[in-house]
Amino acid sequence: EADIYQTPRYLVIGTGKKITLECSQTMGHDKMYWYQQDPGMELHLIHYSYGVNSTEKGDLSSESTVSRIRTEHFPLTLESARPSHTSQYLCASSERRANTGELFFGEGSRLTVL
Amino acid sequence: AQSVTQPDIHITVSEGASLELRCNYSYGATPYLFWYVQSPGQGLQLLLKYFSGDTLVQGIKGFEAEFKRSQSSFNLRKPSVHWSDAAEYFCAVGAPGSGGYQKVTFGTGTKLQVIP
Repeated sequence: EADIYQTPRYLVIGTGKKITLECSQTMGHDKMYWYQQDPGMELHLIHYSYGVNSTEKGDLSSESTVSRIRTEHFPLTLESARPSHTSQYLCASSERRANTGELFFGEGSRLTVL
Repeated sequence: AQSVTQPDIHITVSEGASLELRCNYSYGATPYLFWYVQSPGQGLQLLLKYFSGDTLVQGIKGFEAEFKRSQSSFNLRKPSVHWSDAAEYFCAVGAPGSGGYQKVTFGTGTKLQVIP
């Protein structure tokens, strides 16, 4: 049973539009992550957060930005979408105290930029 | 830095047959190891994990995996595959990263097709 929610699940938009992908979790986890997933490729970490007001860049450079104003909410924003941003974006969270790397994933947001 | 290799991009098995998905990792010490499953259009779900102790770990949906330190492997197995097991399977390794958090690295995945 997923306790981490992503909206929208699917989004098709035109080039130059601003988009925000929403991610919320009800588990009280401190750590949250955004991964980018392309077919046949490993998942790439693009952003993560240790907690409120904490955001860090991941391993893969991304033009997107994130914010963490509330523990449960970790939205990702693209100011001006381009076709190269077409991908699946997966939000995840983990429990800080356990610190094992076990991740809980949302169902993903598939973005297509025309 | 750690890395994960899943040598099989695509595997096809008959329903009822046994399954083994391969995973090799590279890391200097004993990492935390995971297998996740992703059904089409869905996020990833944890199948099982290894942190320490018994090297044979049981997971959900009848899956198990064995950690073999000498071979740097963590292969996933199931004795009898069901059609509903068709999905993509990701091996992952967690190891200490900067800032004290666990850096998780994923393999490229193995897509499993189940035929009648």
